[in-house]
Amino acid sequence: EVQLLESGGGFVQPGGSLRLSCEVSGFTFSEYAMNWVRQPPGKGLEWVSSISDSGDTTFYADSVKGRFTISRDNSKNTLFLQMNSLRAEDTALYYCAKLPVSFVRGWYDFWGQGTLLTVSS
Amino acid sequence: DIVMAQSPISLPVTPGEPASISCRSSQSLLHRDGYNYVNWYLQKAGQSPHLLIYLASRRASGVPDRFSGSGSGTDFTLKISRVEAEDVGVYYCMQALQTPHTFGQGTKVEIK
Repeated sequence: EVQLLESGGGFVQPGGSLRLSCEVSGFTFSEYAMNWVRQPPGKGLEWVSSISDSGDTTFYADSVKGRFTISRDNSKNTLFLQMNSLRAEDTALYYCAKLPVSFVRGWYDFWGQGTLLTVSS
Repeated sequence: DIVMAQSPISLPVTPGEPASISCRSSQSLLHRDGYNYVNWYLQKAGQSPHLLIYLASRRASGVPDRFSGSGSGTDFTLKISRVEAEDVGVYYCMQALQTPHTFGQGTKVEIK
């Protein structure tokens, strides 16, 4: 059974940093591209970042470029999102989602349950 | 960036009746491999989104056959042949042809 379990969310002041993790099981993590998607409270879905299977290729939304870094540790079946210089508008439920291929094109076949980030003073 | 425009935003439905949601993209989602990279997700209350349709018309594993997707290029449609009470939630179209991947605004389906 495919499982994606996010963790690391919490309450942070503006300007602060936090690292999200997504631990996966039930599939060969190193063979698939992965993504982070966020959803502000009561709003729609917003793509944040994607990473290829090996981690060599990464992509970012303009709203987070230069502040967020996506990475992965294939030996630990874990996806990360390092978030720096956090802003109130980064407040959201953050989901990790899997692509069914090694590159960043296709569809998200599995999603985690999300971890909540709140940025507030 | 590719803009995904869904309509309607709100869709009251009667159980047993059909329902349809439209999604239009600002650029063609047809890749040179012949596939349209548009997907449909349903997010039920308090849950994460789950995949219904991928590559415009392919039903995901376990999705009832009352759900179908169609379209090509820039115009796509999700149809529910006979709505059931469990189909309520917010439906999103999404393109993953190129980054940034983008979602439609969502269509809230509720029972009349």
